[in-house]
Parts: sequence; structure tokens; C-alpha cells
Amino acid sequence: QQQVKQSPQSLIVQKGGISIINCAYENTAFDYFPWYQQFPGKGPALLIAIRPDVSEKKEGRFTISFNKSAKQFSLHIMDSQPGDSATYFCAASRNSNYQLIWGAGTKLIIKP
Amino acid sequence: EPEVTQTPSHQVTQMGQEVILRCVPISNHLYFYWYRQILGQKVEFLVSFYNNEISEKSEIFDDQFSVERPDGSNFTLKIRSTKLEDSAMYFCAGQPGTGNNEQFFGPGTRLTVL
Repeated sequence: QQQVKQSPQSLIVQKGGISIINCAYENTAFDYFPWYQQFPGKGPALLIAIRPDVSEKKEGRFTISFNKSAKQFSLHIMDSQPGDSATYFCAASRNSNYQLIWGAGTKLIIKP
Repeated sequence: EPEVTQTPSHQVTQMGQEVILRCVPISNHLYFYWYRQILGQKVEFLVSFYNNEISEKSEIFDDQFSVERPDGSNFTLKIRSTKLEDSAMYFCAGQPGTGNNEQFFGPGTRLTVL
């Protein structure tokens, strides 16, 4: 119930392509779904987040798609760039208890 | 732009020794967290801290762990008697307040227990 499942584990995309990472959750009490980006040797940094009252949120080249009925959400990176190469984590939390429950992470490599 | 800082960046210790990991959160944040990430694995919640007390803790956060915010600035994680399996990256995070879920992470402390 507390798990967030993330796929794929690793992803290689050509420069300019679309990177798509998927997450699924079980606990319907979750109401905040962030994506974090982590570069080697650094802490996770918030990339974009969504709440379940909207189905999509876009910030620049990054879009979260949210499907409440399927309990799934995904990150789309448009026009992927080598600088986007990092590990991406989805997570979930609820307003009554802010602890983040994390997905396993996706190592994204953008090939020039 | 304010940021979360953590010291030391890397701590090497012998099994059974006590370690204290230090964090300085962003000054106006109200909620504080410790997470850990064993190499190659997912980030795991350890503990949350609000209003000078623990608000939630995970199964990992047993009697060997403690947290405190002694001076309203530093936020520390103490491991009393380290085990080999405590080797991990430890991240401190802060959150502005109620209704704003965004957590801001420090760069982490790499703890190596020999």
C-alpha cells in the first residue's frame, strides 16, 4: 500500500527525443506526486510536482501526466538534452503525513 | 538562493562507533526530514521532525537513531552504535510549512561503516 513502483530502471534516449518514465501507486490517500532529479554526488532536487485534481502539468520541457483512476503518473521530457542525463525519482506523499515514499529511480542517459 | 547544507560530506567510522550527521536547513522552514539511500537503491524515509519533536518515523529509525535541533539552526542525526548496514548516503530535507509539500534536500553525507 505504501509502495511507489517506477519503470524503467534505466533508459537511453537520443538527443532531441522524448524520455518517458512511469510510476504507479496503490495508496489512494496520496495527494502529492513530485518528480526529483538527482545528479551524481548531489541531493535530489525537485523538478516538477502534481496534485490529483489535474491530469497534466507542464513546466518547460517537462510534463507530468496523471491518471487518477489508473493510479499512475508519468514524466515526459521533450527534446531531451545530454544535460538531462541523471537519475529521476518519482515519489508520493499525503497532506496528513508529508513523508515522501520514493520510487526506485530511473537512470536516464541522453546520447548526443 | 538559500540552500540546505550538510556536514561532513563523507564520514568513515568503525562498526560500533557513534556518528553525528549535521544539517543546516533553510532558515524559515518548519518541517525537517532525514532520508537515506543505500548505494544503488531507492531513497528511504527515516524520520520527520516538527515543532521540536519527532512527528513520524520509519521502521529503520530504531533506538540506535536519534534526532535533535538543539539551537534552532542545526538539525542532527545521531547513530549510537553504527552497523555495517548503516553505510549509505544520508540526506537532510526541509519543508516550508503546512500546505507546501515541496522538500528541499541537502547534498548528503556519505557514511561508510567499516
